[in-house]
Amino acid sequence: SQTIHQWPATLVQPVGSPLSLECTVEGTSNPNLYWYRQAAGRGLQLLFYSVGIGQISSEVPQNLSASRPQDRQFILSSKKLLLSDSGFYLCAWSQTGDQPQHFGDGTRLSIL
Amino acid sequence: QKEVEQDPGPLSVPEGAIVSLNCTYSNSAFQYFMWYRQYSRKGPELLMYTYSSGNKEDGRFTAQVDKSSKYISLFIRDSQPSDSATYLCAPCTGNQFYFGTGTSLTVIP
Repeated sequence: SQTIHQWPATLVQPVGSPLSLECTVEGTSNPNLYWYRQAAGRGLQLLFYSVGIGQISSEVPQNLSASRPQDRQFILSSKKLLLSDSGFYLCAWSQTGDQPQHFGDGTRLSIL
Repeated sequence: QKEVEQDPGPLSVPEGAIVSLNCTYSNSAFQYFMWYRQYSRKGPELLMYTYSSGNKEDGRFTAQVDKSSKYISLFIRDSQPSDSATYLCAPCTGNQFYFGTGTSLTVIP
């Protein structure tokens, strides 16, 4: 069966520091991968998605970037965090674009 | 107009009640409809997945899609305290997923 791992679960970072969140999927190959941010009362905001290694689509221009160095690895990064980057970040995968997405347990990021 | 509208609640019901959760959507191209359950501080978990109009039942859960009125529902029978969570609807077409903001449900023992 397929599993998705996301870490860390909680992260507290100072303003201006860099960020790296990692997500890996097991039990499948060539999945679609997604990064979302979830804010209270505002639902899930799609940040990036990838249909293959090195292929990244950005949905929202912002202070973040994503990379997919391996088939089942998806990384969310920032060079300099802003206060507004605080939130709950979720990684998800699906087998194809119209198949259900499956989520990791998220990273709660607090910027001080 | 938002792609998906979902009443945020909160909704509070006694144990054993029938719960009805609803979403409306605007895009008639949506073909697939999903419901996710999200416990506090966890990622959303796929609960139901339906294609086009009609009903789908899985244990105590029934998903209903009415494409003519662009209305999707999730019914929970014999609700349990463990059903306390936020429920998100997610219609989809092709590569495009649209998540509702979620309805918070509390089932009181």
